[in-house]
Amino acid sequence: GDSVTQMEGPVTLSEEAFLTINCTYTATGYPSLFWYVQYPGEGLQLLLKATKADDKGSNKGFEATYRKETTSFHLEKGSVQVSDSAVYFCALSDGAGGKLIFGQGTELSVKP
Amino acid sequence: NAGVTQTPKFQVLKTGQSMTLQCAQDMNHEYMSWYRQDPGMGLRLIHYSVGAGITDQGEVPNGYNVSRSTTEDFPLRLLSAAPSQTSVYFCASRGVSGANVLTFGAGSRLTVL
Repeated sequence: GDSVTQMEGPVTLSEEAFLTINCTYTATGYPSLFWYVQYPGEGLQLLLKATKADDKGSNKGFEATYRKETTSFHLEKGSVQVSDSAVYFCALSDGAGGKLIFGQGTELSVKP
Repeated sequence: NAGVTQTPKFQVLKTGQSMTLQCAQDMNHEYMSWYRQDPGMGLRLIHYSVGAGITDQGEVPNGYNVSRSTTEDFPLRLLSAAPSQTSVYFCASRGVSGANVLTFGAGSRLTVL
């Protein structure tokens, strides 16, 4: 079945460092891809999405490009801030049913 | 606009007890779902509903029941709680034109002793 694999955390960075969180997926069709973020004590909220190959999703300085050839959707940010400390989840949708399949999450901690 | 509201936020149960986690949304969303979040496991789908009167199983449905009598509400029932059901539970919903973007509640942390 469809699945999502993320790099394991926790990831610890200094403020203004470059961030990459790797995400790869396995899917039989043409899923939409998402990054969700969970701040401490809160529910998940959508960070960005891409619905077809070569689409780039972006929001709050974060970017991810839907790469069908490598089945990847890596999350990047050029300069992280302490306020970016959170757990990041990569996810795919299974088409018409609308169910989301999540990766295991990657905890990011940004130190001043 | 409250979005997705979950109650209670915290609950402690003894093995064998029953309880219901409540979920309500005020966005007229057709699709609602329940996930559980466990360390290192991400979020796993328990049950979902595509509209009032329609429910279906997700990846980990055993030990949980759901019903959808109204568009707004989607309660999750644990009939006989087990320690393996200790988790954080999230309810999420989306509209018909939501492009599969889910709106999540704040979560309910359940501990089963």
